[in-house]
Amino acid sequence: QVQLQQWGAGLLKPSETLSLICGVYGESVSVYYWSWFRQPPGKGLEWIGAIDQGGSPNYNPSLKTRVTISLDTSENQFSLKLRSVTAADTAVYYCARAPPLGPDWGFEYWGQGTLVTVSS
Amino acid sequence: SFELTQPPAVSVSPGQTANITCSGDKLGDKYACWYQQKPGQSPVLAIYQNTYRPSGIPERFSGSHSGNTATLTISGTQAMDEADYFCQAWDSNTGVFGGGTKLTVL
Repeated sequence: QVQLQQWGAGLLKPSETLSLICGVYGESVSVYYWSWFRQPPGKGLEWIGAIDQGGSPNYNPSLKTRVTISLDTSENQFSLKLRSVTAADTAVYYCARAPPLGPDWGFEYWGQGTLVTVSS
Repeated sequence: SFELTQPPAVSVSPGQTANITCSGDKLGDKYACWYQQKPGQSPVLAIYQNTYRPSGIPERFSGSHSGNTATLTISGTQAMDEADYFCQAWDSNTGVFGGGTKLTVL
């Protein structure tokens, strides 16, 4: 049974870089389709971006200039970096997995979520 | 830009059927997924590709698609189904979510 375990700094100052890692346990990152989402407190879900099993990323146009998602096959994990954060980036961040066929098949496995707060 | 519209809230009595809709321009050309989220928990995939139910999701959950509207139906709704529900689809390789529907079972 696959498990996603995410970690990273939970408190940032404006202009800093958000950095989160999602560790994958029980299967290889080289097989599936991976994504990051976020949810501001009390609000809905937002797709941040994704990376396929070959390491090709795809980003939400609204965040594209600030986001990098990468795959680390040696550590069997993938990561999210969001640069120049502001208070508007305060949210719970989630990593998730879709089947190899791609995101149309839905994200069936999710990490536990990480609350990231941006405050001076 | 592509947007998905859901009713903010739906109420249902226990044992009755709840229908949650999701509409969007050209949604008929795309696949919709539905996610259930309870307070303080990660989302759970309830329906994918409009109508398919992942293993572990109760049979009372079903999905349908007509024109530019996708519908999540919960038959015989139980108290444990009280949650937020989000529809999601892809447009030009960008994931888009509806605003979410709070389902109250009362």
